[in-house]
Amino acid sequence: DGGITQSPKYLFRKEGQNVTLSCEQNLNHDAMYWYRQDPGQGLRLIYYSQIVNDFQKGDIAEGYSVSREKKESFPLTVTSAQKNPTAFYLCASSGPTSGSYNEQFFGPGTRLTVL
Amino acid sequence: DAKTTQPTSMDCAEGRAANLPCNHSTISGNEYVYWYRQIHSQGPQYIIHGLKNNETNEMASLIITEDRKSSTLILPHATLRDTAVYYCIVRVGMAGSARQLTFGSGTQLTVLP
Repeated sequence: DGGITQSPKYLFRKEGQNVTLSCEQNLNHDAMYWYRQDPGQGLRLIYYSQIVNDFQKGDIAEGYSVSREKKESFPLTVTSAQKNPTAFYLCASSGPTSGSYNEQFFGPGTRLTVL
Repeated sequence: DAKTTQPTSMDCAEGRAANLPCNHSTISGNEYVYWYRQIHSQGPQYIIHGLKNNETNEMASLIITEDRKSSTLILPHATLRDTAVYYCIVRVGMAGSARQLTFGSGTQLTVLP
């Protein structure tokens, strides 16, 4: 099945540790995105990438890093510099095959809790 | 992107039509109206979009007023599984550019048995 996967579903981290969230898609989409969602709030963009080896900061990039070495993969690292990392993290992808870049397909999300 | 206004919450009886309104009075001529929904603890799901004509797909219908300042998403026969937060988003329809989607707070639709 074509789709977008994220792992793990739940992640616990101690303060001061870096952690990497995985995002993989087999939809042949060019663009990939990372959003953060806090309880009762909408989504906020962390980073996005329109093409391999290129990515752009979103509204809340501080304390996060990404890479885009392969079209299918867009991992997000939450660093110790992120002051309040506990949140629900959502990865999405889009591209010409989805009709337009505005039709984004989302993964199931990773819920990160800092202990 | 034009700002959108949606009610915070709505209820609907199971089997009845759910009509979710959205105001976007500052929409410009090249901006589309998109609807997504997010079931609790899942990723958002694209539902439908339109420019100025009414649109229908297997999930829903989208009615856009003639002046395009508001729209209504219609779920014709709501089920319990339609309980979710529904987001109305206005975006320029640029096929060649990746940009963020601006999700506001949306409307919490609760379908009641």
